[in-house]
Amino acid sequence: QQQVKQSPQSLIVQKGGISIINCAYENTAFDYFPWYQQFPGKGPALLIAIRPDVSEKKEGRFTISFNKSAKQFSLHIMDSQPGDSATYFCAASKRQGGKLIFGQGTELSVKP
Amino acid sequence: ETGVTQSPTHLIKTRGQQVTLRCSSQSGHNTVSWYQQALGQGPQFIFQYYREEENGRGNFPPRFSGLQFPNYSSELNVNALELDDSALYLCASSQILERETQYFGPGTRLLVL
Repeated sequence: QQQVKQSPQSLIVQKGGISIINCAYENTAFDYFPWYQQFPGKGPALLIAIRPDVSEKKEGRFTISFNKSAKQFSLHIMDSQPGDSATYFCAASKRQGGKLIFGQGTELSVKP
Repeated sequence: ETGVTQSPTHLIKTRGQQVTLRCSSQSGHNTVSWYQQALGQGPQFIFQYYREEENGRGNFPPRFSGLQFPNYSSELNVNALELDDSALYLCASSQILERETQYFGPGTRLLVL
């Protein structure tokens, strides 16, 4: 059962543009939603995370938007740069659950 | 502050063999989780350890086992290796009061021939 669905599978954006990646979850018990960035041959790096008591969280060029009623959340990367080219994973977990459920990943390519 | 480290970086084994992977958690973290990441997929949770005991397990067979040591480092053991075990094995550390906030190591790439 795919508990976290991520789209698109791949994304090409011009330098300076906005990259948007979407995720949907099924389990209403989830209450922690992180995004990870992974470069080839490296482990995932925690980028930004949100809990459902807020609808938006911003850290630098990265913003998470959260829609609890729709059970959806998204990552926006503003002013995308070639160095942002990587695979991005959304994930979900229960508070204190310890088990992260990951989406399938989105391969982002930012063209100069 | 040191991050999560894993060893070895790469490993080649043959079907039926056994393998041990190692992880040192980030300083100040007492909980370790292991994930398997197949090529082109998201990581899949194997299990989590806290105070040297398994504290949650994903949908993996018993031939996947682990240990945690008093210094919070951890091992992942896989017996009777199968071709499908070829993957990137990731270790993540966290604090028990925020187990869901996990920081990953660089992983061990295992190839089973």
